[in-house]
Amino acid sequence: GAVVSQHPSRVICKSGTSVKIECRSLDFQATTMFWYRQFPKQSLMLMATSNEGSKATYEQGVEKDKFLINHASLTLSTLTVTSAHPEDSSFYICSAVRQGGGAQYFGPGTRLLVL
Amino acid sequence: RKEVEQDPGPFNVPEGATVAFNCTYSNSASQSFFWYRQDCRKEPKLLMSVYSSGNEDGRFTAQLNRASQYISLLIRDSKLSDSATYLCVVFNQAGTALIFGKGTTLSVSS
Repeated sequence: GAVVSQHPSRVICKSGTSVKIECRSLDFQATTMFWYRQFPKQSLMLMATSNEGSKATYEQGVEKDKFLINHASLTLSTLTVTSAHPEDSSFYICSAVRQGGGAQYFGPGTRLLVL
Repeated sequence: RKEVEQDPGPFNVPEGATVAFNCTYSNSASQSFFWYRQDCRKEPKLLMSVYSSGNEDGRFTAQLNRASQYISLLIRDSKLSDSATYLCVVFNQAGTALIFGKGTTLSVSS
């Protein structure tokens, strides 16, 4: 089956630092990847849609300058949380859609804790 | 009205019980519906798609009522391993991404 990986799986950082999270589709090419965020006991919230070779589309209320998304290849999208603050602590999950359409496959998620 | 609303839960049931979860969605133009399962501190995993005619996969049955904008999931003969959070999921208005409900937690005990 389709596999999506994320790295790192867990990160703890100091307030003010930037954190980069990688999302890779391991055995298929993904023209579209999505980034979600989930706070404790809350639903997954779509942050942005990332299309290979073009700028990401951000959902309302998500700051594009704070959450930088790069989708440079068909198998890799990165999310950089710039100048992270404690309120950015969350579970960040990516998903990828196989080229040609189909189901979304989720990565295992990255737990970010900002101290 | 929230885009996707689910039973608040939690549901605590004994092994062997039958349990049903409900979900309503606000966008009448939505075309695709899913049930995902999320275990604690893990990513969501697709449980089953929901079709207009209803569909069944083993102990799991999903139903869709477009007129009422309502989706259901029925689990028969609950197992301990069914304990998880069940997420009702709908494609967003643009048809480009999934919108998740908050989830309903199921705890099956022996």
